[in-house]
Amino acid sequence: DTAVSQTPKYLVTQMGNDKSIKCEQNLGHDTMYWYKQDSKKFLKIMFSYNNKELIINETVPNRFSPKSPDKAHLNLHINSLELGDSAVYFCASSQTSISPLHFGNGTRLTVT
Amino acid sequence: GENVEQHPSTLSVQEGDSAVIKCTYSDSASNYFPWYKQELGKGPQLIIDIRSNVGEKKDQRIAVTLNKTAKHFSLHITETQPEDSAVYFCAAKGSSNTGKLIFGQGTTLQVKP
Repeated sequence: DTAVSQTPKYLVTQMGNDKSIKCEQNLGHDTMYWYKQDSKKFLKIMFSYNNKELIINETVPNRFSPKSPDKAHLNLHINSLELGDSAVYFCASSQTSISPLHFGNGTRLTVT
Repeated sequence: GENVEQHPSTLSVQEGDSAVIKCTYSDSASNYFPWYKQELGKGPQLIIDIRSNVGEKKDQRIAVTLNKTAKHFSLHITETQPEDSAVYFCAAKGSSNTGKLIFGQGTTLQVKP
């Protein structure tokens, strides 16, 4: 009965590879997000989708591409992974764009 | 741009004492201020929030105060317990309707038994 679930929990890969992280929410929320948490715990928004439509796109390299097949899913695809991409990536959802966020438990990405 | 400053970065208290974490924000049009608690290996969880038309809000041992004039808000935890140990984040929602939350840098709270 997990509200926001993301897979995988851990992802270890080499530089240059392409990887995806999946996120699903069963809360019936309209808005979903991707946040990046760096090694200093700083949380920064990357993308936000409302009803499958992109509404926030921060200054993120275009190697990162979000995809929302429906409003319950928001996946993150990363091309040509770099060392600096190593971080914990959190998916979140909210009822509307101005409601509290519900976070998943994160995906720890390590690029070697 | 929008900015949220959070202090202190680390806080150690004895069980039973109070803990206070303070945040300031730059966008005077910000109207929503949530606080999140992040335990090890988990995502941040909302513990309390306050909107700009309210000066104070309390939920059991947790309270948040907001001073819009000074653009700062604080989290107060009374009668701290070891299970309160975690990283706490303040956040402020900017003036646009896109719902973008700007987070503070986080405070690692340690409650010693």
